[in-house]
Amino acid sequence: GQQLNQSPQSMFIQEGEDVSMNCTSSSIFNTWLWYKQDPGEGPVLLIALYKAGELTSNGRLTAQFGITRKDSFLNISASIPSDVGIYFCAGQLPSGGSNYKLTFGKGTLLTVNP
Amino acid sequence: KAGVTQTPRYLIKTRGQQVTLSCSPISGHRSVSWYQQTPGQGLQFLFEYFSETQRNKGNFPGRFSGRQFSNSRSEMNVSTLELGDSALYLCASSQRGIYWVTGELFFGEGSRLTVL
Repeated sequence: GQQLNQSPQSMFIQEGEDVSMNCTSSSIFNTWLWYKQDPGEGPVLLIALYKAGELTSNGRLTAQFGITRKDSFLNISASIPSDVGIYFCAGQLPSGGSNYKLTFGKGTLLTVNP
Repeated sequence: KAGVTQTPRYLIKTRGQQVTLSCSPISGHRSVSWYQQTPGQGLQFLFEYFSETQRNKGNFPGRFSGRQFSNSRSEMNVSTLELGDSALYLCASSQRGIYWVTGELFFGEGSRLTVL
């Protein structure tokens, strides 16, 4: 099946620092989504990307849909303690057939030291 | 607008038993997907339902099944539970329509299943 390689697996940073994480795939996706999951909760959608090259911001978060359609990046600026959690990327294959599912990366565990 | 509601939040079962989990999607959403989340495998797709029909299925054994009702509420069932079925089961709803249109998934808080 399709696989997404998400890196880094974990990050430990100081409050106020910027953070970058990314996902890559050997397959082309037509949608990239970024989620954040807090302990004991379900993933919460942060940003959705639908076009190659698209750059979208949501507050201190910025995500980009790679030009090759095989990767995506998420940046968090000026991190704060509540940014702690697991960040997941998810990709959607081009429509057609039964490709309705999202493929998720393994997640990036972010720890912010106050 | 109420979010995706899953019940129960926590449950403990023993091997061999069966379990049914329930999901109420966001009002107006007709697509419901189920995912299994474990530390080792991450988020794995189980199946998706739209208009009471299973539209796509992941690579899980037949012990995992689901259904969707006319009000879009969905249930999933796991029969003959195994220790490895211990996981967080997540339901997600979407505004996806009859013809596939890319759309975001909105997740519930999940049902934490522990199999002893």
